[in-house]
Amino acid sequence: GEDVEQSLFLSVREGDSSVINCTYTDSSSTYLYWYKQEPGAGLQLLTYIFSNMDMKQDQRLTVLLNKKDKHLSLRIADTQTGDSAIYFCAEIPAYGSSNTGKLIFGQGTTLQVKP
Amino acid sequence: DTEVTQTPKHLVMGMTNKKSLKCEQHMGHRAMYWYKQKAKKPPELMFVYSYEKLSINESVPSRFSPECPNSSLLNLHLHALQPEDSALYLCASSQVSGEYSNQPQHFGDGTRLSIL
Repeated sequence: GEDVEQSLFLSVREGDSSVINCTYTDSSSTYLYWYKQEPGAGLQLLTYIFSNMDMKQDQRLTVLLNKKDKHLSLRIADTQTGDSAIYFCAEIPAYGSSNTGKLIFGQGTTLQVKP
Repeated sequence: DTEVTQTPKHLVMGMTNKKSLKCEQHMGHRAMYWYKQKAKKPPELMFVYSYEKLSINESVPSRFSPECPNSSLLNLHLHALQPEDSALYLCASSQVSGEYSNQPQHFGDGTRLSIL
């Protein structure tokens, strides 16, 4: 079945860049998503990338997609303490499985930003 | 600010109580979702409504009963819950759902439910 994997924890200093990595298994997924969850809050859609793109940039956020290796990364430039949160990578299998149309999440990466 | 609004934000109930969680969106989305999330874990899908009809039930116990009165509203009726049902319940919406759909889902801030 489909699987999305992320490392569980990342610690960086304020002002540094953060890179959160994700691997996925389903090749039918046409969009891949990054969500941010701050303590006590719901999930905020940060950005998403279409599978025919290699890169997408949105202000401090850069998403890189290596479709051959099924590897997705989220780079946060000039990381701030307000970026401390759990970051979830997710995919939606487009067809051909029991999870078609369902959002499949990774386990989430906790980003700790030290002042 | 989230465009998916959930009420109440917190709910404490006994195992014999009946309560309801509410969710509202005004983005014109035609798919709405309920998720359950335990601490430090990803959300788990419970139900999907597409065009106000239940399209997916992820084998959720009958003590959880969803309802979609119209395209903007989604309720989750709770009865005879167990302590293990304590969690954050998240509502989400998207333009459409189902096969070939890849529309992003937008989440509310959730209802934190505690069962005594």
